[in-house]
Amino acid sequence: NAGVTQTPKFQVLKTGQSMTLQCAQDMNHNSMYWYRQDPGMGLRLIYYSASEGTTDKGEVPNGYNVSRLNKREFSLRLESAAPSQTSVYFCAIPAGDRGGMNTEAFFGQGTRLTVV
Amino acid sequence: QKEVEQDPGPLSVPEGAIVSLNCTYSNSAFQYFMWYRQYSRKGPELLMYTYSSGNKEDGRFTAQVDKSSKYISLFIRDSQPSDSATYLCAMSVGPGANNLFFGTGTRLTVIP
Repeated sequence: NAGVTQTPKFQVLKTGQSMTLQCAQDMNHNSMYWYRQDPGMGLRLIYYSASEGTTDKGEVPNGYNVSRLNKREFSLRLESAAPSQTSVYFCAIPAGDRGGMNTEAFFGQGTRLTVV
Repeated sequence: QKEVEQDPGPLSVPEGAIVSLNCTYSNSAFQYFMWYRQYSRKGPELLMYTYSSGNKEDGRFTAQVDKSSKYISLFIRDSQPSDSATYLCAMSVGPGANNLFFGTGTRLTVIP
């Protein structure tokens, strides 16, 4: 999806390994979000950043850390991966232009992560 | 009880049919309602956005919100094979995309 770029697209990790999921946007939004999508659970917010230098926990933050490196980039780190973190991870930004108050989200293409 | 309930389907319809997709919710404070379409192995894309109650139409798509029944619907008229995807409902109490509650999605197949 134009505007939000996620890398990598696929990854297989062994239990206990670490990795960082990268997200970059070119829409100049202050807010950025990390969601995970699991069968039967829907999309759930992991962390979000309302502006450069700030981050806040979402619904399912345990086992993750984030960094808002600058306005453009927001990374998600798994320090010690567990099989329960097998999921599809989406980075998102607000969709629209209402001064940061947009409720709609614009999603990237996702990272499919498998932890074995 | 989940905040948002959505029948996972799958739902198969012939091309040209009218499709009705639905979600129910438990939190009467929800004010912002959205429908997303997600193609296989892709990210969700916003289809419809509605604030509070009422109907909204965009081409072949109509979104309805009935807050008294805590029920939202998405209607697709003249369905096309390209509409085959998973449809997700989402809703929020306030503005900002950091407190969205998503349904689990309904998988739709439109048969040519």
